[in-house]
Parts: sequence; structure tokens; C-alpha cells
Amino acid sequence: NAGVTQTPKFRVLKTGQSMTLLCAQDMNHEYMYWYRQDPGMGLRLIHYSVGEGTTAKGEVPDGYNVSRLKKQNFLLGLESAAPSQTSVYFCASTGLAGAYNEQFFGPGTRLTVL
Amino acid sequence: AQSVTQLGSHVSVSEGALVLLRCNYSSSVPPYLFWYVQYPNQGLQLLLKYTSAATLVKGINGFEAEFKKSETSFHLTKPSAHMSDAAEYFCAVKPGSQGNLIFGKGTKLSVKP
Repeated sequence: NAGVTQTPKFRVLKTGQSMTLLCAQDMNHEYMYWYRQDPGMGLRLIHYSVGEGTTAKGEVPDGYNVSRLKKQNFLLGLESAAPSQTSVYFCASTGLAGAYNEQFFGPGTRLTVL
Repeated sequence: AQSVTQLGSHVSVSEGALVLLRCNYSSSVPPYLFWYVQYPNQGLQLLLKYTSAATLVKGINGFEAEFKKSETSFHLTKPSAHMSDAAEYFCAVKPGSQGNLIFGKGTKLSVKP
């Protein structure tokens, strides 16, 4: 099992450009998450999905959109990138929303917006 | 709102010394608590989790954490630090069985030879 994979690993954008980050998991997990990690801020939840075809906003959703057309994939889109979106983005998944179920994380995507 | 506070954004210890990373939570309901570790340029991986079966929880790589309800704490310890323990550590709380994880800001552990 590859677990959770993210594409691409690195990306540099200019302000105003758009891009899509892809997260894929092969564990048949229902729940998927997108976080951003900034120095001294920990991880903050952007959007999440509780199943195929569903999405919901997290703590910091502005400027991002998501889609979950297939159970194994969760896409994060930036329609018009801004320097404030320079960050490391992590995808995570979990099989159930049960209390003790851990989230499994991907390796991250480092995004720089100039 | 639920929150997690990690005291100390940076902790430095000598190899072989005790590691103590502090985590306090605020929760009006029984919390579900986790510690994750992030090695440089990698994603997060689970160190341990509190499942209410025991207040002292053992995790991977010799780490353990003790749940103290009276102090609303879940501090992470390791008796003897190794160079390979250098990483960033995150405490996280799940406010209720169906909630999303809320992460602390992280503590970066440095280990000196």
C-alpha cells in the first residue's frame, strides 16, 4: 500500500495563477482532509470530506476549493493564488470518524507563490 | 471552543537526557488526545493516542504520555533522548467522537550530542 500520496511535491506559482493539488489514498478511507502548515501555526484545516461527493469547510477555507469525485481522491484548488497561500499543504485520511481513529498523512506539497 | 496549547515552541536536550514536551487542552467533554511526530521534510505520523483504557499511554520509539484530567494535560516524555528524536511534535485533540482534529502549534525538539 502506498498510503496517502500527494502530487506535486513542490510548486512555484505567480500571483493570480491557478493550480490543483491532488491527494490520493489507497486505504478505502471515507474521510479526507486538507491542511496547511505555516511556521509557528501548527496545522490548520482548510476543507474536509466525509465521503465521495461531499465536502465541508474547515478553519481556513477562503481562497480554496475542493472536490471529491472519487472516493480515493481529494483535490484542492487555488483559483487565483496569493502570496499568503505560500505554505506546506498536507492531505490526510481516516477510515472512520470514530474517537480514536488516527489520521494518516501524505508527505506534503510545498507551494510558493511569488 | 476546543484548543490545545503546547508550551515551548523549541526544546533542546542533550543526548541521553529526559525529554518532556508539554501539552494542555481545553475541553468541556472527554477529550480524545493524540501526539504526532514530523521528521524534517516529511508528513506527520502517529506517536500515540489516549484511548481512556489507561492514563499512561505508550507509543512508538520509547515515547509515552500521561493523561491527567485534573491538570487537563497530556505531556509527552521519553527517558533518554536519541539524536534520531530530533523532529517537530504536535499534540492534537478531537473534541468529541465525531469532531475534527485540532492541532497545537508544535514543539521542535533538538538533541545535542
